[in-house]
Amino acid sequence: GAVVSQHPSRVICKSGTSVKIECRSLDFQATTMFWYRQFPKKSLMLMATSNEGSKATYEQGVEKDKFLINHASLTLSTLTVTSAHPEDSSFYICSGRAPSGGYTFGSGTRLTVV
Amino acid sequence: GDSVTQMEGPVTLSEEAFLTINCTYTATGYPSLFWYVQYPGEGLQLLLKATKADDKGSNKGFEATYRKETTSFHLEKGSVQVSDSAVYFCALSEGSSNTGKLIFGQGTTLQVKP
Repeated sequence: GAVVSQHPSRVICKSGTSVKIECRSLDFQATTMFWYRQFPKKSLMLMATSNEGSKATYEQGVEKDKFLINHASLTLSTLTVTSAHPEDSSFYICSGRAPSGGYTFGSGTRLTVV
Repeated sequence: GDSVTQMEGPVTLSEEAFLTINCTYTATGYPSLFWYVQYPGEGLQLLLKATKADDKGSNKGFEATYRKETTSFHLEKGSVQVSDSAVYFCALSEGSSNTGKLIFGQGTTLQVKP
């Protein structure tokens, strides 16, 4: 149980375009989802906490206008990277908090901006 | 703020060798502690966890004990296999707030050679 599905797994986009990443909780309702960014050979850095029906809470240093988060339902949270640039290339991972209190991670999205 | 520190990698071992990956933390309150594993090209999977002092988490031959006196949660396995090659992350969830955020260490890459 407690599965999180993340799509797409890989995306290549042109500089200046926007990319949307979806994160769905398949068998539970996630009132809270977390979005992380992972640089090569580095740890996961929490970007923001996504709350269903309200505004996301961003970590210090994360541009909220660049990384738009929408959590419109209990099973779907989206991260949109707007006006992407090569420095936004990274591995993005979402996580949902399951009813048991544990954390379930999506399989990640490899974003490459060219 | 809360933080997690892991030993630097990569760690290279021969099959059947004993594994220890050190993890120490700083936290206010009483965090829960986790070990996550990330296989190449995949997202994170929970390996084991401990929610209070002196708890021992175990799974797939791995184990770690929550040591409050030394603020540590070292990961051990008696006999590693090639299939254990992955990146291992130590993490804590902030116990003093209800945000549910996970704070990750920098990750330790384990390479097991036949």
